[in-house]
Amino acid sequence: GEDVEQSLFLSVREGDSSVINCTYTDSSSTYLYWYKQEPGAGLQLLTYIFSNMDMKQDQRLTVLLNKKDKHLSLRIADTQTGDSAIYFCAERGGATNKLIFGTGTLLAVQP
Amino acid sequence: ETGVTQTPRHLVMGMTNKKSLKCEQHLGHNAMYWYKQSAKKPLELMFVYSLEERVENNSVPSRFSPECPNSSHLFLHLHTLQPEDSALYLCASSQDGWNLANTGELFFGEGSRLTVL
Repeated sequence: GEDVEQSLFLSVREGDSSVINCTYTDSSSTYLYWYKQEPGAGLQLLTYIFSNMDMKQDQRLTVLLNKKDKHLSLRIADTQTGDSAIYFCAERGGATNKLIFGTGTLLAVQP
Repeated sequence: ETGVTQTPRHLVMGMTNKKSLKCEQHLGHNAMYWYKQSAKKPLELMFVYSLEERVENNSVPSRFSPECPNSSHLFLHLHTLQPEDSALYLCASSQDGWNLANTGELFFGEGSRLTVL
């Protein structure tokens, strides 16, 4: 079945780079996503990558996709305290076409 | 009006109560979803409505009953819940929910925090 796994917690110092990792099982995934959830709020799409791409960069964000290993990562450069949030990895199943989410990774940025 | 609005934001209920969660979207989308968010667990898809027809029901207990009267409104009726049902319930919407041609972005509400005593 479809499954998405990510670590529950990551702590970094302000100004450092953060790397949040995710693995998934569906080799036929079409899109992979990173959503951000700030305290007391719903999830908001941060960025996405189509499955035929290896990398996508958007300002401080870099998404890397390794299809062979079914591994997705999100790198945030120059992490700020405002980046503290829960980051959800999700994949869109090729067969089911539905979004499968991970547990979310709580990113704590220390000043 | 914000894109997806959920009410109430917080709800405390006893196991014998009947209550409802409401979701309204102002984005003109044609698909709406209920998700359950519990600590340390993957975000769990409960129900999907596309064009007001339920297309997904992920083995959710019958004590949760969804209703989608039109493409802008979605309800989750609750009765005889259990303490383990305490969670954040998130509503989301999207356009062309099952169309591969689009990115499939979901727009979420802020959630309804449910506590069952």
